[in-house]
Amino acid sequence: AQSVTQLGSHVSVSEGALVLLRCNYSSSVPPYLFWYVQYPNQGLQLLLKYTTGATLVKGINGFEAEFKKSETSFHLTKPSAHMSDAAEYFCAVSEIASDWMGKYIFGTGTRLKVLA
Amino acid sequence: DGGITQSPKYLFRKEGQNVTLSCEQNLNHDAMYWYRQDPGQGLRLIYYSQIVNDFQKGDIAEGYSVSREKKESFPLTVTSAQKNPTAFYLCASSNGRVAKNIQYFGAGTRLSVL
Repeated sequence: AQSVTQLGSHVSVSEGALVLLRCNYSSSVPPYLFWYVQYPNQGLQLLLKYTTGATLVKGINGFEAEFKKSETSFHLTKPSAHMSDAAEYFCAVSEIASDWMGKYIFGTGTRLKVLA
Repeated sequence: DGGITQSPKYLFRKEGQNVTLSCEQNLNHDAMYWYRQDPGQGLRLIYYSQIVNDFQKGDIAEGYSVSREKKESFPLTVTSAQKNPTAFYLCASSNGRVAKNIQYFGAGTRLSVL
């Protein structure tokens, strides 16, 4: 069965510093991978996704992620943090080896705090 | 604008009461989902529906029920059998049974017990 691990439930960075949020997955086949962002008391918004092709994926708000098959990782990065990036971030894997291929498996989330 | 509308935003349940959370989408998506979100646990799938008049249990279906009588609507009932209903509930939809399809989310309903 597929699973997703997000290392660090809370991450703090200074404004202008690099943001690195970690996501590792387990899967017997290359999965489809997603990063979502959630602001307080709101739904989830897609940041970026990896399906096939280029392993470095660019998303909205200056975020990007790199799919590394050998490391089973899909870490999210942003070169320079902004105060508006403070939110909770979820990594998700699409369950492609099941009877219903539209199901997601979510990580437990990482709450990003940006310090002034 | 196309999207997913969840209502109400806040809901309170009394002991022994059933409550229903509404989810409507105008994206013409076939698939719809209900998730429960608790602090530190991420999102857990309650029910999902691939098509009208069909739905399947997710990982934590006990104490919940759903219906899918119309393509655009997927209401969730939290029954009195759900002993710990306090959580943030999120509805999502996607365009069919394709693994790489994006799920789009509503703004959520926060349910509390009185």
